[in-house]
Amino acid sequence: DTEVTQTPKHLVMGMTNKKSLKCEQHMGHRAMYWYKQKAKKPPELMFVYSYEKLSINESVPSRFSPECPNSSLLNLHLHALQPEDSALYLCASSQEKGSYEKLFFGSGTQLSVL
Amino acid sequence: DAKTTQPPSMDCAEGRAANLPCNHSTISGNEYVYWYRQIHSQGPQYIIHGLKNNETNEMASLIITEDRKSSTLILPHATLRDTAVYYCIVLKTSYDKVIFGPGTSLSVIP
Repeated sequence: DTEVTQTPKHLVMGMTNKKSLKCEQHMGHRAMYWYKQKAKKPPELMFVYSYEKLSINESVPSRFSPECPNSSLLNLHLHALQPEDSALYLCASSQEKGSYEKLFFGSGTQLSVL
Repeated sequence: DAKTTQPPSMDCAEGRAANLPCNHSTISGNEYVYWYRQIHSQGPQYIIHGLKNNETNEMASLIITEDRKSSTLILPHATLRDTAVYYCIVLKTSYDKVIFGPGTSLSVIP
């Protein structure tokens, strides 16, 4: 199983809503990542988790709150988002930080903020 | 971190070899060249990586110049399914993060 599963695939939310994105992998990977991708732009790194601990926060606004409850699961909690936060949110995992030939991405959650 | 430059777009006829160039003139001795691609509506996918020697796998070949300042990703027989954005990235394995540049948008034409 070399799959990273992201749910939901599509999400529409209002600026006052609270929602969560979910990412799951069962490859035994100990590093997990969140990326944000605007249309026709490359993915931008948001967060890196290593062994369930937050390793890197790329100065992401606090309205995005990551959580790694166990080694297989990564969540991104969303609250009070702005329309400019509409984007494709990609989750990835790798065996360890630095194992980039084993960096697997999910297909993403397409988020629209109204 | 070493920077890379790639042409923004390229076309390739179906069945022909697609040769995607990448310049990384400031690469240091312990940095690897990685290639990923992103097909529309999917997450990026690892293709191949190398340090000094040329590499080949079931997806592609990677040719790195002797001075390591540039490289070429070769898709030997491009198909329509190879239409994607291709990212060339220079990485040390000790790096914490993969940062994507603009990449090359490859269109394989029937």
